[in-house]
Amino acid sequence: KNEVEQSPQNLTAQEGEFITINCSYSVGISALHWLQQHPGGGIVSLFMLSSGKKKHGRLIATINIQEKHSSLHITASHPRDSAVYICAVGNTDKLIFGTGTRLQVFP
Amino acid sequence: DTGVSQDPRHKITKRGQNVTFRCDPISEHNRLYWYRQTLGQGPEFLTYFQNEAQLEKSRLLSDRFSAERPKGSFSTLEIQRTEQGDSAMYLCASSFIGAGNTEAFFGQGTRLTVV
Repeated sequence: KNEVEQSPQNLTAQEGEFITINCSYSVGISALHWLQQHPGGGIVSLFMLSSGKKKHGRLIATINIQEKHSSLHITASHPRDSAVYICAVGNTDKLIFGTGTRLQVFP
Repeated sequence: DTGVSQDPRHKITKRGQNVTFRCDPISEHNRLYWYRQTLGQGPEFLTYFQNEAQLEKSRLLSDRFSAERPKGSFSTLEIQRTEQGDSAMYLCASSFIGAGNTEAFFGQGTRLTVV
């Protein structure tokens, strides 16, 4: 079993829909990261959180430390949100990544 | 500072050749990480440095792989006698480890194709 599990693996949505991507982990962590990867390969950090909830524009990330679970929400989705969203957990050194959720938003 | 930069962005090489990739981290960052990502998978940890010291190496890093960060600034990752299984995206990230958690910033990656 992977230490970081994401669901769903693939997700399609119509523009404007509310989207949720889930991440569960089985190791002790000091922080959880949500990352976005576009087809060119570069990774952009969206959130780093260790408790509670963070919001940035149309993106919201929550984490429940007791349940070892995090969610990434996208409100009013747009075609430009199409990308792979990766959950990664870390302690004081390296990150452990999930396999990613491929999101496609259609106009 | 323009962020983490990696060079080259793409590399095609014949099996058996040696390749070297470079990563320039954000200048004040003391941690530098190398990850490898194969198609359809999330990145996997290879190794990391704190300043010039290499603190951990993954079992994925066979003896054909070597990484250096000689002056605690840029880093190189060399693969000797490349194999087709080495084809992947090689990602570099940097962060500043101090009193608390800090974000990791990623480069654009170097996509290696071994033919």
